[in-house]
Amino acid sequence: QSALTQPASVSGSPGQSITISCTGTSSDVGGYNYVSWYQQRPGKAPKVMIYDVSHRPSGVSDRFSGSKSGNTASLTISGLQAEDEADYYCSSYTSSGPYVFGTGTKVTVL
Amino acid sequence: QVQLQESGPGLVKPSQTLSLTCTVSGGSISSGGYYWSWIRQHPGKGLEWIGYISYSGVTHYNPSLKSRVAISVDTSENQFSLKLSSVTAADTAVYYCANLYSYRFDYWGQGTLVTVSS
Repeated sequence: QSALTQPASVSGSPGQSITISCTGTSSDVGGYNYVSWYQQRPGKAPKVMIYDVSHRPSGVSDRFSGSKSGNTASLTISGLQAEDEADYYCSSYTSSGPYVFGTGTKVTVL
Repeated sequence: QVQLQESGPGLVKPSQTLSLTCTVSGGSISSGGYYWSWIRQHPGKGLEWIGYISYSGVTHYNPSLKSRVAISVDTSENQFSLKLSSVTAADTAVYYCANLYSYRFDYWGQGTLVTVSS
């Protein structure tokens, strides 16, 4: 059960949009619409930002959106704000695991 | 709103068994559709799913840890527990308990650091 692949870091200026990718296989990301995204600030527990590929929980800003194409899911943050600076992890249901997380991406607001 | 709180020793000796408990408040652990999970994060690293249990006791574990992991539930205390046997320094991590609902980890505990050292 290998971790899903994410870029180590992504950065952007305030107001810009950034996209974080999450690449898996047909046994996880590509096989199910059960990809979720988590935001983790330093010293804090993760918080779900997106579930089922593109759904936002109540209370999460609509600046966060998710999508999927083939074996790669993506999280887009539009109108980047200083408060968005954090680590982001994807997660997927898998045919074997049944859950696997991504390697994590550090988002820096320049 | 559901709240979760981990408790247990912060220091465990190598080869011994790590034991943690998660107390659930603001909701019943017996609520249908929920699975109660353990997730860990090695220092400065990513998240690793350990396993989950349903209120009825159905379990599912990460294949890489399956031989050493046991998760149990105590519905009368609204708690669930993790036992990880034969620990080594590689098991040093922050351990989180979380509520798995409809394929997402909805609510998380604050996490507890467990260090494996003699």
